[in-house]
Amino acid sequence: DAEITQSPRHKITETGRQVTLACHQTWNHNNMFWYRQDLGHGLRLIHYSYGVQDTNKGEVSDGYSVSRSNTEDLPLTLESAASSQTSVYFCASTGNTGELFFGEGSRLTVL
Amino acid sequence: KQEVTQIPAALSVPEGENLVLNCSFTDSAIYNLQWFRQDPGKGLTSLLLIQSSQREQTSGRLNASLDKSSGRSTLYIAASQPGDSATYLCAVRPKGFQKLVFGTGTRLLVSP
Repeated sequence: DAEITQSPRHKITETGRQVTLACHQTWNHNNMFWYRQDLGHGLRLIHYSYGVQDTNKGEVSDGYSVSRSNTEDLPLTLESAASSQTSVYFCASTGNTGELFFGEGSRLTVL
Repeated sequence: KQEVTQIPAALSVPEGENLVLNCSFTDSAIYNLQWFRQDPGKGLTSLLLIQSSQREQTSGRLNASLDKSSGRSTLYIAASQPGDSATYLCAVRPKGFQKLVFGTGTRLLVSP
């Protein structure tokens, strides 16, 4: 079955370190998204991509970057981790039907 | 700017009840509306997708309706079970955009 997988599922890091969260989908979807979910804020869009070599900023993109070198992967990089970036991160993708599918999430703690 | 509201924020019912979760949105120009379920510590699972041309979708005990003109969708859960306990989110895709706008969810607890 096609799926979307995230790694690592849990990560603890220190302030100032660079962190990369991986997202891999086997749906062959063009559109991929990164969200963060925090209590009191719901789901907020960080970055998104409509295809290879395409990346766009979402509503909370400061301190984050993404790259899209192939259809399957959209890694999310925190250039210099801050405590405010402690959160649960979700990757998602959509295809032609418009239905959005989510990964299981990556819980990041920045100390 | 599209805004999505879900009321109530939390709902507690005894097992066996039929229940309705509400979702309202401010702009009727949408491409589709999607309902999700989220269990604690887990990702979002897609339940139902309603395209803008459709009025409802059904999956098992779940039925979702869409009324674009009034900016409303309802998720009907028949014969609720404790396993239905979760947070339910709705999201709309505005026309011309691939990004979804999410509601803040309804936390459902079904007691045995």
